[in-house]
Amino acid sequence: GESVGLHLPTLSVQEGDNSIINCAYSNSASDYFIWYKQESGKGPQFIIDIRSNMDKRQGQRVTVLLNKTVKHLSLQIAATQPGDSAVYFCAENGAGAGSYQLTFGKGTKLSVIP
Amino acid sequence: DAGVIQSPRHEVTEMGQEVTLRCKPISGHNSLFWYRQTMMRGLELLIYFNNNVPIDDSGMPEDRFSAKMPNASFSTLKIQPSEPRDSAVYFCASSLTSWNTEAFFGQGTRLTVV
Repeated sequence: GESVGLHLPTLSVQEGDNSIINCAYSNSASDYFIWYKQESGKGPQFIIDIRSNMDKRQGQRVTVLLNKTVKHLSLQIAATQPGDSAVYFCAENGAGAGSYQLTFGKGTKLSVIP
Repeated sequence: DAGVIQSPRHEVTEMGQEVTLRCKPISGHNSLFWYRQTMMRGLELLIYFNNNVPIDDSGMPEDRFSAKMPNASFSTLKIQPSEPRDSAVYFCASSLTSWNTEAFFGQGTRLTVV
């Protein structure tokens, strides 16, 4: 079946720099996408979402970009801080009968170097 | 709201024993999900309830696994008998609706079967 995947399994960033985490998806019918952050010993925490009728959405220090042409999703974190160190997952919510199901990527570990 | 509450946080049991994991979803949410997380397979959906009714249990790995939701504020995931390969972190999540809304995750139960 179709799945969500990540380009980079690990990412090390200097504190204060911007981080970009990428995600490829293959289900062209997916119409809702979410980025989650998971810190060690905790459950995934919602960061930001985007619907397929948008190509960009901004939150506090985070921006999600959606390129439906190439089926690519990215999460940009501005001025990365040590507290941003975590594993980041993208997830897609398919359309139609299976729309309740979030399909998660494998995750990217972000390490912030102080 | 306290968020999704899971218990216990950690469970160590011997192979062959029955294990029961518990979840209290966020009040007012009508969708509940049980996920399993392992290093090898990432986050996998086990079962999905909508309005206390199991809608999709295709992710439940074997008949040893069962889940119930007797009311809107409580769900259980039971493994009987447990096996070492069941060792994982089990997450419960709830969402306001079943379509295109973020799921809120609990802290998880780390299960170790020895």
